[in-house]
Amino acid sequence: AQKITQTQPGMFVQEKEAVTLDCTYDTSDPSYGLFWYKQPSSGEMIFLIYQGSYDQQNATEGRYSLNFQKARKSANLVISASQLGDSAMYFCAMREGSGYSTLTFGKGTMLLVSP
Amino acid sequence: GAGVSQSPRYKVAKRGQDVALRCDPISGHVSLFWYQQALGQGPEFLTYFQNEAQLDKSGLPSDRFFAERPEGSVSTLKIQRTQQEDSAVYLCASSLVGPGGEGGYTFGSGTRLTVV
Repeated sequence: AQKITQTQPGMFVQEKEAVTLDCTYDTSDPSYGLFWYKQPSSGEMIFLIYQGSYDQQNATEGRYSLNFQKARKSANLVISASQLGDSAMYFCAMREGSGYSTLTFGKGTMLLVSP
Repeated sequence: GAGVSQSPRYKVAKRGQDVALRCDPISGHVSLFWYQQALGQGPEFLTYFQNEAQLDKSGLPSDRFFAERPEGSVSTLKIQRTQQEDSAVYLCASSLVGPGGEGGYTFGSGTRLTVV
């Protein structure tokens, strides 16, 4: 089974609207971390937001918030007030365990923001 | 430096040629990772260094892939006898401490390798 599933290959949103990018994960480890990264056409992976499995509250970072539903194993990214510069690939990733572990990425969602 | 620097930015290799990809992490960052990103896919883990020690190389797809970080700073990913399936973007990431932290990975812009 895939550890990170992003079911939306592409999403379109108009400028200034909110958009939700879906991510579900699969792990049996009680300790894990969930990450969202943005990858513009320039190629670098830009860290957006992090949610730990034991965090009581949903993470927020500026216009980014993470809708963490632990029982459903989902960690959707919400971008409020979309901007043209938000157009990019978005990747959900997971780190399992509390010690050393690599990041496992989903296949990504391409977000296009139109004027 | 201010960020993770990778060179070359683009590399075209003839099938069978050896290539070397360089990663210059953020100064003082202990952990260094290499990822391979095929077209239309998410990055996949290749290998991990803590300082000069290669602690995990489980993601290297074959013995043609070799990585080193001899002085615990700059790292080189070498691919011998390149094949077309090696065509991908190779991303390097570094982290100040071990990878258990919440946001501690800084990625470079990657090297796009095309094998013809």
